[in-house]
Amino acid sequence: QKEVEQDPGPLSVPEGAIVSLNCTYSNSAFQYFMWYRQYSRKGPELLMYTYSSGNKEDGRFTAQVDKSSKYISLFIRDSQPSDSATYLCAGTSNFGNEKLTFGTGTRLTIIP
Amino acid sequence: DAGITQSPRYKITETGRQVTLMCHQTWSHSYMFWYRQDLGHGLRLIYYSAAADITDKGEVPDGYVVSRSKTENFPLTLESATRSQTSVYFCASSDNAGPETQYFGPGTRLLVL
Repeated sequence: QKEVEQDPGPLSVPEGAIVSLNCTYSNSAFQYFMWYRQYSRKGPELLMYTYSSGNKEDGRFTAQVDKSSKYISLFIRDSQPSDSATYLCAGTSNFGNEKLTFGTGTRLTIIP
Repeated sequence: DAGITQSPRYKITETGRQVTLMCHQTWSHSYMFWYRQDLGHGLRLIYYSAAADITDKGEVPDGYVVSRSKTENFPLTLESATRSQTSVYFCASSDNAGPETQYFGPGTRLLVL
């Protein structure tokens, strides 16, 4: 079993819709959880990160962690075509973020 | 230019050849990482380095060698390339001050024939 599981998609939604991206993890030692966005043929870029359980909001993006169920979510409100990308979740137990463990990524397309 | 760069961006080689992928960062970050990205596996850590002359294995180190004689450079060598090493390789760096300080390079697409 992979430490971080993520539905690879692809996921297609119309512009303006709310998008929900999800991951599950199995390593109880994970304390930090990240979401990366990766455009085609580019390197991943950090979108958001959270520590332990709870929500974090940044503009149209909300990251949510439920440690009791080992569930990580990213919500995108008012989705835009520019949000079309692959989204990767990751977890780590170390503040220095060495040894990030990634999910496989979900490919998202926002249809204008 | 400031940032993290990788070279070459694309490489085609043959089975059995030695290949070196270069990574250079201008932030003087202490940590550097090499990942490979494959369909169905996502990003997997190959090797990482906490400082110059300090390296350690990640999840998939077999067939790879790294060195870090200077803080800004972290080359990855495939000693004898195999077809299973066909992948996209990403270098990243971090100053160990939180996830927001980790940055990825643009990647190197490697094809082993």
